[in-house]
Amino acid sequence: DTEVTQTPKHLVMGMTNKKSLKCEQHMGHRAMYWYKQKAKKPPELMFVYSYEKLSINESVPSRFSPECPNSSLLNLHLHALQPEDSALYLCASSQILVTYNEQFFGPGTRLTVL
Amino acid sequence: SQQGEEDPQALSIQEGENATMNCSYKTSINNLQWYRQNSGRGLVHLILIRSNEREKHSGRLRVTLDTSKKSSSLLITASRAADTASYFCATDARGGGADGLTFGKGTHLIIQP
Repeated sequence: DTEVTQTPKHLVMGMTNKKSLKCEQHMGHRAMYWYKQKAKKPPELMFVYSYEKLSINESVPSRFSPECPNSSLLNLHLHALQPEDSALYLCASSQILVTYNEQFFGPGTRLTVL
Repeated sequence: SQQGEEDPQALSIQEGENATMNCSYKTSINNLQWYRQNSGRGLVHLILIRSNEREKHSGRLRVTLDTSKKSSSLLITASRAADTASYFCATDARGGGADGLTFGKGTHLIIQP
């Protein structure tokens, strides 16, 4: 299984809502990532988890809260978002103990904040 | 922060022609990778070139890397309509796993049938 799955595919939420994005992989990868991609822009790194521990936080606002409950799952909890947070949120995974860093991406969750 | 700069930002060619995209980056790298993205969906890894390599081939893809100029190029030969997509270069500084990628701005490639 070389697939990264993300749910939901689309999400519309109000600024006062709390929602979560989910990501799952069964490739045995111990590194997982969240990226944010605005329209017609490249993906931008948000968080990196290594062995289920947060290793990189690219100064992301606290209204985004990542969680890695086990080696296969990655969540992104959303609360009190702003309309400018509307974007495609991409999850990725990769191996760690290698000299390369090929990342496998999920299809993304398209988030709209009203 | 974005490191890579793709050139051109958009490219439209006829099916069967070759497509060349360029990428420049600013800091030292361990690897440089190219990804393809169809219609704002997930990215697909195409090819990786290590900092000590100068050229690499994979099927219809040819990648070059010039670390002295901090630049890379992706050549797609004999293009097909299915190659229509956005192409991004991506770098990681530390190497190994668990290192976030820094993407270039991307080239939107359109293959005219």
